[in-house]
Amino acid sequence: GQNIDQPTEMTATEGAIVQINCTYQTSGFNGLFWYQQHAGEAPTFLSYNVLDGLEEKGRFSSFLSRSKGYSYLLLKELQMKDSASYLCAVRSKNQFYFGTGTSLTVIP
Amino acid sequence: GAGVSQSPRYKVAKRGQDVALRCDPISGHVSLFWYQQALGQGPEFLTYFQNEAQLDKSGLPSDRFFAERPEGSVSTLKIQRTQQEDSAVYLCASSTTRNHEQFFGPGTRLTVL
Repeated sequence: GQNIDQPTEMTATEGAIVQINCTYQTSGFNGLFWYQQHAGEAPTFLSYNVLDGLEEKGRFSSFLSRSKGYSYLLLKELQMKDSASYLCAVRSKNQFYFGTGTSLTVIP
Repeated sequence: GAGVSQSPRYKVAKRGQDVALRCDPISGHVSLFWYQQALGQGPEFLTYFQNEAQLDKSGLPSDRFFAERPEGSVSTLKIQRTQQEDSAVYLCASSTTRNHEQFFGPGTRLTVL
């Protein structure tokens, strides 16, 4: 079966750095995605990794290790508006498998 | 430009009623996905279209669920004889073949009483 694991909740301070981990076990791998989802809204795309290594995009970076089935999303210079759920998703052939999401709360 | 739109945004159905949920993808996007998202959970894959062809429907939970995209643009997800466990947000997403990024619609929140 497919298994995507990420922590349920995290709390971090405004201006700090936070790392959200994701481990996966899927039959087939065609890329790993991170999405941000504010309460009551649709997920929005943050990053995509298909090769090992770090992808940087402004305040957000995402890392992938395919051999370890592991990824993380790094958020720098946290802002209050970053409080949201962060979803890790793995593409396997035509399907996307999502984790349950990590609810991040940024506190002043 | 216009993003993915879905209608209705909210739907309340009585148990046993049939419902139809509509998705208008971004113009030119050949790939279209339907997901079901329960409260506090991540989206769960339901089905995938490439143009008008339904290439994967393995995520549809039962034969009460049916999806179509007859002209390769607008898609409809139909749920027959709704049950309480069908209550969820139904998300539609579209993407191009050259860009893996999926653009999600706002979702339809279905409540079955």
